[in-house]
Amino acid sequence: NAGVTQTPKFQVLKTGQSMTLQCAQDMNHEYMSWYRQDPGMGLRLIHYSVGAGITDQGEVPNGYNVSRSTTEDFPLRLLSAAPSQTSVYFCASGDRQPPLPNYGYTFGSGTRLTVV
Amino acid sequence: KNEVEQSPQNLTAQEGEFITINCSYSVGISALHWLQQHPGGGIVSLFMLSSGKKKHGRLIATINIQEKHSSLHITASHPRDSAVYICAVRHFNFGNEKLTFGTGTRLTIIP
Repeated sequence: NAGVTQTPKFQVLKTGQSMTLQCAQDMNHEYMSWYRQDPGMGLRLIHYSVGAGITDQGEVPNGYNVSRSTTEDFPLRLLSAAPSQTSVYFCASGDRQPPLPNYGYTFGSGTRLTVV
Repeated sequence: KNEVEQSPQNLTAQEGEFITINCSYSVGISALHWLQQHPGGGIVSLFMLSSGKKKHGRLIATINIQEKHSSLHITASHPRDSAVYICAVRHFNFGNEKLTFGTGTRLTIIP
């Protein structure tokens, strides 16, 4: 049982390049989300999905694209990388029906992205 | 004003001390999460609670819904407890459930 698997762990991109951050979960969770974490700020929601085929924007969606073709996978695409997208990215999944007693969300290990 | 405020931002204590980290929020919530982020970066969910108190080993989380306040306590603290502790609230925004995070409390336990 791997939980939430994020790849890659580290990535350096040049401005203007595109890339996809992968996220996969094996817990049959309906809810998946992408966050970015920047110094001095709380985790901020980029995009989320409440089930296969359904996605919606979070607080900071600009410059990112997502899709949810299967329950397991929720890739995050950077369309044209900018230095402002330098951040640590976390994917998380949760079973909302019903919430687990002690653990509401499972997080991936994060992707540290640097855009130069 | 942030919807979720944590205090203190940084906390250094000696091994064995009793630790309290506070979280205040300004929105109506359906649940509150306490998360732990270790220096390696990984985030682990410690607790999810919507009322009362929960205990897991040396960790205790309490919430007062009326006062919009939660605390995370660590008893008999140990250097391995050194991490960033993050409070997050689950609430509804225009019909959609949302998770809003505090900026975290960096805890350092000195041997």
